[in-house]
Order: sequence, then C-alpha cells, then structure tokens
Amino acid sequence: EVQLLESGGDLVQPGGSLRLSCGGSGITLSNSDMSWVRQAPGKRLEWVSYIQGGGTSTYYADSVKGRFSISRDASKNTLYLQMNSLRAEDTAVYFCVQGHFSTWGQGTQVTVSS
Amino acid sequence: DVVMTQSPLSLPVTLGQPASISCRSSQSLVYSDGNSYLTWFQERPGQSPRRLIYKVSTRDSGVPDRFSGSGSGTDFTLKISGVEAEDVGVYYCMQVRHWPWTFGQGTKVEIK
Repeated sequence: EVQLLESGGDLVQPGGSLRLSCGGSGITLSNSDMSWVRQAPGKRLEWVSYIQGGGTSTYYADSVKGRFSISRDASKNTLYLQMNSLRAEDTAVYFCVQGHFSTWGQGTQVTVSS
Repeated sequence: DVVMTQSPLSLPVTLGQPASISCRSSQSLVYSDGNSYLTWFQERPGQSPRRLIYKVSTRDSGVPDRFSGSGSGTDFTLKISGVEAEDVGVYYCMQVRHWPWTFGQGTKVEIK
C-alpha cells in the first residue's frame, strides 16, 4: 500500500520561507509523477506544483511561480516544496499527491501571519 | 486558465435517492489521444481528498459502483445512484488537460 506523509508545516511570518517534505512508503518517489495541492480555509482545492516522474520537468500555479520550488531527493525517497516570500494567502493545508492524484497524504498546515 | 464550474454548490439529498453534480470547463478537455482528462474527488469531513473517477468515467479501485461519471468536451456529470450516509462530503471536479490544472469550487452533499 502506498502511503505519503507530509511534514514541515509551521507558523511563519510574511516574507519568510519554509520547506515542506513528503516521505513515501510503498512507492519510489523519484519514479513517480508527484504534485503538491493546497486548501485554504473554506476554499476550494488548488493545485500548486508538479514534478515529472523520472525526469526534471516541473510546473507551477501562477500564484506561486517564482516563489515556490518542487524537488526530490531519490536517496531519501522524499519530495520537497521550498516556499519563499510567503504571503498571508499561502496559508493552507498542503497535500502531497502521487501520480494523477491517486494517493494523497494527510496534509500539513502552513500559516503565514505576523 | 481553464475555469471549472460546478453546480449545484450545495446538494441536500434523501438517503437512498439519486444525486447528480454538473461540472463545466471553459475549454475542451479532449486530448489528442481521444480521452477527456476530467477527474472527480470526494472529500469526507476530516479526511484527505480521495480520487473517485478519472478520465471522465473510470472508477478507482474500491469505489462503489453507485458512483458513475459521464460527459465529454466541456460538460461532465458525477452521479450517485442512491446516496448513502458515508457519501456526505464535498465533491470536486478537476481538469488535468491544460496547465495549470484547475479544480471546481466543490459541491457539498448532505443528507436531508
């Protein structure tokens, strides 16, 4: 069974940085298409970023382009989301998602506030 | 960006009765392979979203057959043939045909 576990969510001040991690079991993350999806309080789900399995192609939502970066470490079987220049509107639960959204983690809370 | 519009946004249903959710996209979701890349998710209270259906009508493993998806091009529908208590939650459609991928607003299904 594939399981994903996010970590790294925290309270951070506007303009700050945070790195989210997603560990996988039952899956080799470096071979899998992976995405980050977020959900702000009371809002719809929002796709944030994607990285192609086995390759280096990455895509970002316009709202985070230039500020967020998706990457992975094959040796640690871990997916990352580096978030810089954080804004209040980035406050959300962030989910790590496998492939075309077949498996979701439990989410990690990011709060951007002074 | 492709705008995904769901209706209704709230759907009170009597147990055992059918339910239907509409999802419309601002652009066609048909790819060159002939498939439409429209996905449906269920988000139960307090749980992570769960994929129910992908490529319009392919049900995920373990999803009850009371859930069905249909449509093509820009108009899609999720149907529940007879709502059960465990179906309460928010349902989202999502397109993965055009970058950036986009979700609908969500439809909240509740029991009358």
